Amino acid sequence: AQTVTQSQPEMSVQEAETVTLSCTYDTSENNYYLFWYKQPPSRQMILVIRQEAYKQQNATENRFSVNFQKAAKSFSLKISDSQLGDTAMYFCAFMKQSGGYNKLIFGAGTRLAVHP
Amino acid sequence: DAGVIQSPRHEVTEMGQEVTLRCKPISGHDYLFWYRQTMMRGLELLIYFNNNVPIDDSGMPEDRFSAKMPNASFSTLKIQPSEPRDSAVYFCASSYGVTSNQPQHFGDGTRLSIL
Repeated sequence: AQTVTQSQPEMSVQEAETVTLSCTYDTSENNYYLFWYKQPPSRQMILVIRQEAYKQQNATENRFSVNFQKAAKSFSLKISDSQLGDTAMYFCAFMKQSGGYNKLIFGAGTRLAVHP
Repeated sequence: DAGVIQSPRHEVTEMGQEVTLRCKPISGHDYLFWYRQTMMRGLELLIYFNNNVPIDDSGMPEDRFSAKMPNASFSTLKIQPSEPRDSAVYFCASSYGVTSNQPQHFGDGTRLSIL
């Protein structure tokens, strides 16, 4: 069974600084996808970034980038130039890549607070 | 482009009452998911549908929970009778296609409080 671990329940950062959120996962699969979702106080779950395991290049979306280390089963999220609107819960998620639908497995989340 | 629409946004009711949560997926999406989020257990998948047909309901906690999808644009999650431990945020999500790289789009959730 796959598991996703986020070891940082809470993080804080000053506005304009950079912060890195950690995520590790456990799987015997070789092909899979990894995601970071953001849940602001409004509760909506918003997809921030995703990474295909077969791609060596780290995914980037504007100020958000990942450090994907497949051998170490690590998938951290870096937020550059943090903004107050980045304050939210961040969830790391894993999905197998195989025929048909596969479950999204979520981590417990990291609460990020961006301070002015 | 409208996203996934859930109603109500908040629901407070007394133990033993029937609760119905509603979801309208994004038009054209053929997968629909119901999740429950609690502090203790995080985000859990309860059930998902493909083309209106329930495919996997192994996450549904008890027989008190039921879900239906009478058509491509509407789904309900019903709890009868409700209990205080059902208090949680319930999310509906939808996606298009069977490949894993299609992201799930979530609604704003329904915060359910059972007194």
